[in-house]
Amino acid sequence: EAQVTQNPRYLITVTGKKLTVTCSQNMNHEYMSWYRQDPGLGLRQIYYSMNVEVTDKGDVPEGYKVSRKEKRNFPLILESPSPNQTSLYFCASSPTGTDEQFFGPGTRLTVL
Amino acid sequence: GENVEQHPSTLSVQEGDSAVIKCTYSDSASNYFPWYKQELGKRPQLIIDIRSNVGEKKDQRIAVTLNKTAKHFSLHITETQPEDSAVYFCAASTKGVYSGGGADGLTFGKGTHLIIQP
Repeated sequence: EAQVTQNPRYLITVTGKKLTVTCSQNMNHEYMSWYRQDPGLGLRQIYYSMNVEVTDKGDVPEGYKVSRKEKRNFPLILESPSPNQTSLYFCASSPTGTDEQFFGPGTRLTVL
Repeated sequence: GENVEQHPSTLSVQEGDSAVIKCTYSDSASNYFPWYKQELGKRPQLIIDIRSNVGEKKDQRIAVTLNKTAKHFSLHITETQPEDSAVYFCAASTKGVYSGGGADGLTFGKGTHLIIQP
């Protein structure tokens, strides 16, 4: 089944404790992206990747890191999480930047 | 960069009536305009999209219109049903560092909460 998976789905952590949210797709898509969703603000892009080893900042990259060492995986890293990073995070993939984006199930992160 | 404005933020309509959601964008280079539906607790899913070489596209009860001159596009839902209740997002393609002639992603509007009243 073609899909985008994310783990974990829910995470409660404390300020400053490094964490990684994994994202994997099995559709051989070139493009992958991370978004955060906050009430009233819609979906805001954090980082995106056009291909392996090619990444760039989106609209809200501060406090986040990404890597794209393999085509299928695009992990999101929070080196030192802060409470303002409490949010719902979505990973998405698509063949290119201008095709249908397939979203993962979301990761709800709470930073205390 | 691209800026996408979406209105209204909340829309309540009677079941069976039509609903219209409007978006404007700022970058005249944008050429792809999708609409996503997000049900409560679920992920966003594409419901319809349009490219800049087309003015209108229809899929059963859903249609999208695009006015490139005015830089706005709209989602039209006819004969609304309870299952249409959801948050709808418009988006426009954006160009980045690695555009190479293609776009580097999507900028989303803030969303419209559509409520279908029985």
